[in-house]
Amino acid sequence: NAGVTQTPKFQVLKTGQSMTLQCAQDMNHEYMSWYRQDPGMGLRLIHYSVGAGITDQGEVPNGYNVSRSTTEDFPLRLLSAAPSQTSVYFCASSYPPNRGQRGYTFGSGTRLTVV
Amino acid sequence: KNQVEQSPQSLIILEGKNCTLQCNYTVSPFSNLRWYKQDTGRGPVSLTIMTFSENTKSNGRYTATLDADTKQSSLHITASQLSDSASYICVVSRNAGNNRKLIWGLGTSLAVNP
Repeated sequence: NAGVTQTPKFQVLKTGQSMTLQCAQDMNHEYMSWYRQDPGMGLRLIHYSVGAGITDQGEVPNGYNVSRSTTEDFPLRLLSAAPSQTSVYFCASSYPPNRGQRGYTFGSGTRLTVV
Repeated sequence: KNQVEQSPQSLIILEGKNCTLQCNYTVSPFSNLRWYKQDTGRGPVSLTIMTFSENTKSNGRYTATLDADTKQSSLHITASQLSDSASYICVVSRNAGNNRKLIWGLGTSLAVNP
C-alpha cells in the first residue's frame, strides 16, 4: 500500500550514541516533515523539506540533522543522543498548498528511548 | 500568540451515542483547519480539512464545522463505534509567507465503551 514508511519502529540508545531514523514515501509528495510527540504537548516540528535538496528548521531542530537527496527519502539523524530526545517521532508528507488542500500522510512512528 | 485549544481533554461515551469535540483557535493569518484521528501507537490520520469559506465538511460519521468569525470548530461523531476510540487532534494552518505553519492542539482522548 502507498504511504509513509518509517524504520525502525522501536529503538533504545545510550546517551551520546548517534543514529538515523529512516522515512520513505511513495506518493511523490514534495513536502516532508519530521515531528516529535511528547506527553502533554502537541506535535512539534523538527525539520521539514519542500523538495529534494531543500531543507529547513522547524520549532525544535537542535540535536537533529536532515537531508533530502531524493523526493522519496527524508532521514533524520540524531548526532549525539540525549535523554531529552526520548520521544515518539513521526514522519509526514504532503503535496504543496498550491496543489489543493489535502492533509498530511503520517508514518506509524518510531518510539525512541535514550538511556 | 498563536494557539489551538481543545475541549474536553478526555471523554467517555457508550457505543452508539453521539458526541461533539470542540476546538478554539487564535491563529492569524488563518489558512485552514484540519481534524486528525490518532489511534494509540499510530500516526495521525486526516479526517477533514476546511478553508475559511467552508462551514461544514463531512467524512462518513464525522462532521466538522467551522465558524471563522468566532474562531471555533467542532467535530461531531454520529453513532459512535468502538473503533472511534482514539485521540482527535485539531490543527490550524497559518499562512507565513511562502511557508505553512501548523499549530497543533493537544487533542481530545475519546473512549467508546460497549
